[in-house]
Amino acid sequence: DAGITQSPRHKVTETGTPVTLRCHQTENHRYMYWYRQDPGHGLRLIHYSYGVKDTDKGEVSDGYSVSRSKTEDFLLTLESATSSQTSVYFCAISEGTGGVQPQHFGDGTRLSIL
Amino acid sequence: KNQVEQSPQSLIILEGKNCTLQCNYTVSPFSNLRWYKQDTGRGPVSLTIMTFSENTKSNGRYTATLDADTKQSSLHITASQLSDSASYICVVSARSKSYIPTFGRGTSLIVHP
Repeated sequence: DAGITQSPRHKVTETGTPVTLRCHQTENHRYMYWYRQDPGHGLRLIHYSYGVKDTDKGEVSDGYSVSRSKTEDFLLTLESATSSQTSVYFCAISEGTGGVQPQHFGDGTRLSIL
Repeated sequence: KNQVEQSPQSLIILEGKNCTLQCNYTVSPFSNLRWYKQDTGRGPVSLTIMTFSENTKSNGRYTATLDADTKQSSLHITASQLSDSASYICVVSARSKSYIPTFGRGTSLIVHP
């Protein structure tokens, strides 16, 4: 299994509070991604990173920010959590894009916002 | 808008039987198509990856096919096992600066003994 660790694995918090999710990799892969998975939807990209301090928005980026100060860590922050952000969040990594490099996923963070 | 549609939404089969899952896509220009398996409570795991020039790819009991002309793919599972119970997700990437993939909603497969 690819060395990807997501923390925390579960979190319950209240509307309006800030939340930070962490993704840590030991593979030294350049690309890192944050997705959310909700019933009735495929995985949807929130933000991704193509290098240290290099990030870009995905399909559902509103209400989320990210930071990558080291190759191995990619943080996802909900500045002021809302109930619509209740979801399962997955981090993924890949060595490259395009061709045949697969994305390797962590086991997710289940976030509930009350 | 790039889309990936999978069918059926769910499927129940008996252990030892074969099954085929379908994926239709409108992603363009096409770069590659991947099938993932996602066990309950886990992240997706890659099964196969196919580019435009490949029309079949196998991984053990899993065989994926691709028809780039009709924009269809299938995943065939042979001699199913209880451990095959999972969600199977079709993912298609377009040729672009970032090759961001588009995910299907998945087919939930349950294998009964």
